[in-house]
Amino acid sequence: DGGITQSPKYLFRKEGQNVTLSCEQNLNHDAMYWYRQDPGQGLRLIYYSQIVNDFQKGDIAEGYSVSREKKESFPLTVTSAQKNPTAFYLCASSPTTGWGEKLFFGSGTQLSVL
Amino acid sequence: QQQVKQSPQSLIVQKGGISIINCAYENTAFDYFPWYQQFPGKGPALLIAIRPDVSEKKEGRFTISFNKSAKQFSLHIMDSQPGDSATYFCAASIGRDDKIIFGKGTRLHILP
Repeated sequence: DGGITQSPKYLFRKEGQNVTLSCEQNLNHDAMYWYRQDPGQGLRLIYYSQIVNDFQKGDIAEGYSVSREKKESFPLTVTSAQKNPTAFYLCASSPTTGWGEKLFFGSGTQLSVL
Repeated sequence: QQQVKQSPQSLIVQKGGISIINCAYENTAFDYFPWYQQFPGKGPALLIAIRPDVSEKKEGRFTISFNKSAKQFSLHIMDSQPGDSATYFCAASIGRDDKIIFGKGTRLHILP
């Protein structure tokens, strides 16, 4: 089945630890995105990549890092600099190099702090 | 000016009733207004979308009403069902390549 796979479903982070969230897509989409969802805050853009080996900061990039070495993969690292990492993280993709008319979302990763 | 304001934050509707979620925007350059539906523990999925050249778009029980002069648009869910219980996000963008701006979401609960 084509789609976006996020793993793990649940992740726990210890203080001072970096953790990496995986996002893989087999839709052959050009653009990929990371959003953070907090209750009542909507979807906030962390980073996005419109082509391989290139990415841009979104609205809340501080404390996060990404890479886009392959078209199908866009991992997100939550660093120890992110002081409030507890949230639901969503990866998305779109067929074009821009947002286009439709974003395809994965099922998310819930990150919690121990 | 880039904001999309969504209300209410939460909504409870009886089964069979009409659910109405409203959104407002300031940037008149927005020309694409999608709605996304998100079930608990899942990612959002595109539900329905409208462009400002029409005032209404209907797909099954879901209707978008668009008021260009008031810079407002709304989602109506007719004959609401418990399976419609989800979080709904309105959004707006300019053209095909511009960033999609999301509202903060409305948590809808349909009573059985």
